[in-house]
Amino acid sequence: GDSVTQMEGPVTLSEEAFLTINCTYTATGYPSLFWYVQYPGEGLQLLLKATKADDKGSNKGFEATYRKETTSFHLEKGSVQVSDSAVYFCALTSFSGGYNKLIFGAGTRLAVHP
Amino acid sequence: GAGVSQSPSNKVTEKGKDVELRCDPISGHTALYWYRQRLGQGLEFLIYFQGNSAPDKSGLPSDRFSAERTGESVSTLTIQRTQQEDSAVYLCASSRTGTSGYAFDEQFFGPGTRLTVL
Repeated sequence: GDSVTQMEGPVTLSEEAFLTINCTYTATGYPSLFWYVQYPGEGLQLLLKATKADDKGSNKGFEATYRKETTSFHLEKGSVQVSDSAVYFCALTSFSGGYNKLIFGAGTRLAVHP
Repeated sequence: GAGVSQSPSNKVTEKGKDVELRCDPISGHTALYWYRQRLGQGLEFLIYFQGNSAPDKSGLPSDRFSAERTGESVSTLTIQRTQQEDSAVYLCASSRTGTSGYAFDEQFFGPGTRLTVL
């Protein structure tokens, strides 16, 4: 079945460092790809999405490009801030039965220190 | 506008008791989903509602788990005879549905209910 694999955390960075969180997927068809973020004590929020190959999703300085040839959707940010500390989830939609089931990776915890 | 809300935010119960978890989706969202997030793990899909019907219950882990939705709004997830392995955060999400009848792929999540079974 469809699945998502993302790098294990925790990832610990200093403020202003470059961030990459790897995400690869296995899917039949052409899923949409997502990054969700979960800040401490809050619910999941959609960070960015891409719906087709070569699309780039971006938001709050984060970006990810839908790479069909490598089945990847790596999350990047050029300069992280302490406020970016959170758990990041890569996900895809698996369409069946008239709806899109979200399939998540295990999550990667990011800790940014001043 | 108001987002997805869930109650209670925390629930501690004893093994063998029944619990009910509540979800209020965003107004007008006919699609509703329940997920379970065990400590340190990703989200597991439990059930999908379209309106008041549940076309996909494939993620419910056992017959101790059930869910219902009334008035195309509030949903309750019930866990009977709770076990320690049921301890997790239970998340609810909702999304709009297009005129085609297909749910949109962007889901909006509530803050979750943290369930602890002693």
